[in-house]
Amino acid sequence: NAGVTQTPKFRVLKTGQSMTLLCAQDMNHEYMYWYRQDPGMGLRLIHYSVGEGTTAKGEVPDGYNVSRLKKQNFLLGLESAAPSQTSVYFCASSYPALLTSQNSYEQYFGPGTRLTVT
Amino acid sequence: EDQVTQSPEALRLQEGESSSLNCSYTVSGLRGLFWYRQDPGKGPEFLFTLYSAGEEKEKERLKATLTKKESFLHITAPKPEDSATYLCAVQASGTYKYIFGTGTRLKVLA
Repeated sequence: NAGVTQTPKFRVLKTGQSMTLLCAQDMNHEYMYWYRQDPGMGLRLIHYSVGEGTTAKGEVPDGYNVSRLKKQNFLLGLESAAPSQTSVYFCASSYPALLTSQNSYEQYFGPGTRLTVT
Repeated sequence: EDQVTQSPEALRLQEGESSSLNCSYTVSGLRGLFWYRQDPGKGPEFLFTLYSAGEEKEKERLKATLTKKESFLHITAPKPEDSATYLCAVQASGTYKYIFGTGTRLKVLA
């Protein structure tokens, strides 16, 4: 199993350009997440999905869009990149747990995409 | 507001010098507390899940414990290969989201 993979690994964009980051998982996980990681700020949730065809906003969703057309893929789009979006982006997936459940499951992370916007 | 605070921000240890990392949390009902290890340039790697106060988990030189307000990651006789950033995260009741702390950067010197 490859686990969680991310494409591309590195990218440099000019302000105003657009791009899509691809996340793929082969563990048949229902839940998928996109985070950004910045120095001193930890991992911050951008968007997440609890199933194919569903998405929801996280902590810092502005400037990003997502789609989950297939269960194994979760795409993160930047329509008009800004320097403030320079960051390392991580995708994660996990098994589902009902909201009413007292337990939850760990996340499995991809290797990250380092994005620089100039 | 749900919150996770980790301390210290950075820690330097000599090889063999045991210590503990702290994760304090405030959540409206804890579903799970997670510890991850992150090496430079890589994604976080899962270490432990703790669900209720009093629970303990061990793996090699690492031991994680949980109380109602905080979790500790104890490192016994660390080796240079234990050098990494250790992240703590929680999931609260009624949410699909996870909240991460900013991590503790651990450096173990030979």
